[in-house]
Order: sequence, then C-alpha cells, then structure tokens
Amino acid sequence: DTGVSQDPRHKITKRGQNVTFRCDPISEHNRLYWYRQTLGQGPEFLTYFQNEAQLEKSRLLSDRFSAERPKGSFSTLEIQRTEQGDSAMYLCASSFQGGAFFGQGTRLTVV
Amino acid sequence: AQKVTQAQTEISVVEKEDVTLDCVYETRDTTYYLFWYKQPPSGELVFLIRRNSFDEQNEISGRYSWNFQKSTSSFNFTITASQVVDSAVYFCALSEVWVETSGSRLTFGEGTQLTVNP
Repeated sequence: DTGVSQDPRHKITKRGQNVTFRCDPISEHNRLYWYRQTLGQGPEFLTYFQNEAQLEKSRLLSDRFSAERPKGSFSTLEIQRTEQGDSAMYLCASSFQGGAFFGQGTRLTVV
Repeated sequence: AQKVTQAQTEISVVEKEDVTLDCVYETRDTTYYLFWYKQPPSGELVFLIRRNSFDEQNEISGRYSWNFQKSTSSFNFTITASQVVDSAVYFCALSEVWVETSGSRLTFGEGTQLTVNP
C-alpha cells in the first residue's frame, strides 16, 4: 500500500491521559500536514512540516499538542493531558506539489 | 483570509438523478488551487480534482464534471446519473499555490452530505 498510513485508526482514552498518533506519508512526499476534523465540520489545519522542519502551527494547536517529524519521514502527534474537547478525527496528509493525499485518520474519543 | 462556503448541508436524490454541489470561495490571492474531496463513511478523504485558478476550462471525468467560474468565485461539482456508491460527504477546499511557510495548506468548506437512494 503506497498511500498515507495512520495508526491507530481508533483511540479511546480517559481524560487527562496522553496519546500519540503516528502518520507514515507517501514516501516521496516532502510535505506533511496534520488536520483535525470534528463532527459535521470540514478538516482544520493544525501544523505543517517540510521535511523534518515544522514550519507552521495553527492557533488551534495548544501547548498540550506537539508534533514531530524526525528524519523527515513519519510524523507523530502527541496530545498531553487530553480533554473531552480533543475528541475528533485527526487526519494526516502528505504532498509533493499543491494538493494533498490524506490518510484514513485516527478517531480519538476522550471519555 | 481564505474562506470556502458550501451552502448545501445535505442533499438527497434518487439514483440516476443528476446532482450539483455548490462551492463558493473567498481569497485575496490571484493564484490559487481549488479542490474537491470525497469522504465516505470510512473517513478517508479521497482526492477528486485539483484546479489551478488560471485554468477556467470545465473538466469532465466520467460521471463527474466541474464548473469553475472565477467571475463568481464558484467551483461547482456535478455528478451525472448518480449511484448509491456516490453517497458521501463532499468537501470543497482552497489553497495558495505555494508558500514556503505554509506549504499550500488547505482551507475546507463544511461539506455537503450527499445521499443517493436506490
């Protein structure tokens, strides 16, 4: 499978716990994005990497959120001290030129 | 700031009907990309089309066609002879052509839920 891969697909966690998601982009893509999608809404941009450099972070990305892309390949998104408002679908996308190809997302439920 | 509006929240049609999904956008950029994505119940966003703002030619791909009108800032999507498998949420999106710091991030509309009934 040569598409964008995300793991896990689903995560249920208790409020206050930390969670980490992984994204493996399409191998030749140097750009990687994280988006968040809540029910009934379109995806909202969270952060962007060009290779290993994190070039932009949305104001949606609070201090509890951190993303990394070591070596410019896969990326991780960590949420510390989860809150119920963090419940959403977290989508990863990668691209080489304009436009992006998305993974299937990680659905996070905070209980 | 960029904005994408999909005024139709939900559309329901009977199989074989044609259906048009509307998309209106706002941007101060003179050069930009427009996109349509399909999101089936599985959750993955499936890329359908990318259109450069310089290219106003309409495009047809099988049962899908797109009507880009820069004068009205619209990029509408028509499905001809709809099928049950077309049932999904459809998103219109906009990006800058390329900016080093933002890497052409996408601004999405709120989506249109299309239901095609047999």
